[in-house]
Amino acid sequence: GAVVSQHPSRVICKSGTSVKIECRSLDFQATTMFWYRQFPKQSLMLMATSNEGSKATYEQGVEKDKFLINHASLTLSTLTVTSAHPEDSSFYICSAQTGTGVTEAFFGQGTRLTVV
Amino acid sequence: GIQVEQSPPDLILQEGANSTLRCNFSDSVNNLQWFHQNPWGQLINLFYIPSGTKQNGRLSATTVATERYSLLYISSSQTTDSGVYFCAANRGSGGSNYKLTFGKGTLLTVNP
Repeated sequence: GAVVSQHPSRVICKSGTSVKIECRSLDFQATTMFWYRQFPKQSLMLMATSNEGSKATYEQGVEKDKFLINHASLTLSTLTVTSAHPEDSSFYICSAQTGTGVTEAFFGQGTRLTVV
Repeated sequence: GIQVEQSPPDLILQEGANSTLRCNFSDSVNNLQWFHQNPWGQLINLFYIPSGTKQNGRLSATTVATERYSLLYISSSQTTDSGVYFCAANRGSGGSNYKLTFGKGTLLTVNP
């Protein structure tokens, strides 16, 4: 299957700082990538859809100024958590699909963010 | 948007037993996937199965799209099968319909 690589896998940062998470499709081009958030013992909740060359589409209730998404190329999307606070601590995971239309989604390894 | 429900929420088995996990969805789907989330959090793709039946070793899956459900079968379970199993679906008909909606998952524990 296709490979999606996400970095870093784990990050600890101080309150008020910003953290950038990268999501790369290694062996395919992805015009669309998705960012999810997962709290302990819960399911994945979609945060935003990242579109190459255009603005991201955010789900209701997700602050676009706090969670900045950039999809500058067909293989890279980044999520920046700005001015992080302890309540932003969570597991963040990205996915990409192998083509347009209805195709299988593959997920990165996830990033565990802890804000202290 | 589409609703996805999984059952049971928790399942405890003895090693060697068989199990069936169920996923119901509220609307017609063009994409349905089963995942296993490993202890490190990564989602492992098990099946991409919007319809029909597939098998991969001890695992198999069947989706009956007309009746809006999918089943994941695990035979001769092993302790390494433990973890959370997610079903996710989308309508795939354009725009926001490409977004995957996840069920709440089934937590499987296989005891030796």
